[in-house]
Amino acid sequence: NAGVTQTPKFQVLKTGQSMTLQCAQDMNHNSMYWYRQDPGMGLRLIYYSASEGTTDKGEVPNGYNVSRLNKREFSLRLESAAPSQTSVYFCASSDRGATDTQYFGPGTRLTVL
Amino acid sequence: QKEVEQDPGPLSVPEGAIVSLNCTYSNSAFQYFMWYRQYSRKGPELLMYTYSSGNKEDGRFTAQVDKSSKYISLFIRDSQPSDSATYLCAMRGSGSYQLTFGKGTKLSVIP
Repeated sequence: NAGVTQTPKFQVLKTGQSMTLQCAQDMNHNSMYWYRQDPGMGLRLIYYSASEGTTDKGEVPNGYNVSRLNKREFSLRLESAAPSQTSVYFCASSDRGATDTQYFGPGTRLTVL
Repeated sequence: QKEVEQDPGPLSVPEGAIVSLNCTYSNSAFQYFMWYRQYSRKGPELLMYTYSSGNKEDGRFTAQVDKSSKYISLFIRDSQPSDSATYLCAMRGSGSYQLTFGKGTKLSVIP
């Protein structure tokens, strides 16, 4: 039982390049989330998916797109990377049960030059 | 005013000390309160979960919620070097999927 896994762990991009961050969970959770974490800013929600087939914007969605590929997988795409997107990206999933606890992946450290 | 305020520290204490970490919030709709622990270069992990007001204890950790003051606390007794991490408070309203996080307090426990 791996929990939430993310790939890649590290990535360096040049301004204007595109990339997709992958996330998968094996806990049979319905909901999945993408956050970014920046120094002094805390964790901010980019997009979330309440269930398979649905996605919605969070606090900071500009410059990102997401795809809920199936119940297990939720990807985050940067179409044209900008230096302001340099951050650590975390994926999370939750069971939407009584506690709705969110479980986080190990993160992807992205640098945009 | 930010919805959730948390002193970023850093906080440095000697091993064995009692640690008090706090957050204040402004949204009276928040009903569920959590504390996450994040080790360096790792993802956050849930440490404590509390619904509405009151106390909850788990080993050396105690979480308190005072909804009348919009104030939550995490106490760590007999702190250990392994407790050195960043502690994030998080909260959400009833029926809401979205967590609002504090910015985190970095704690160092010195042997």
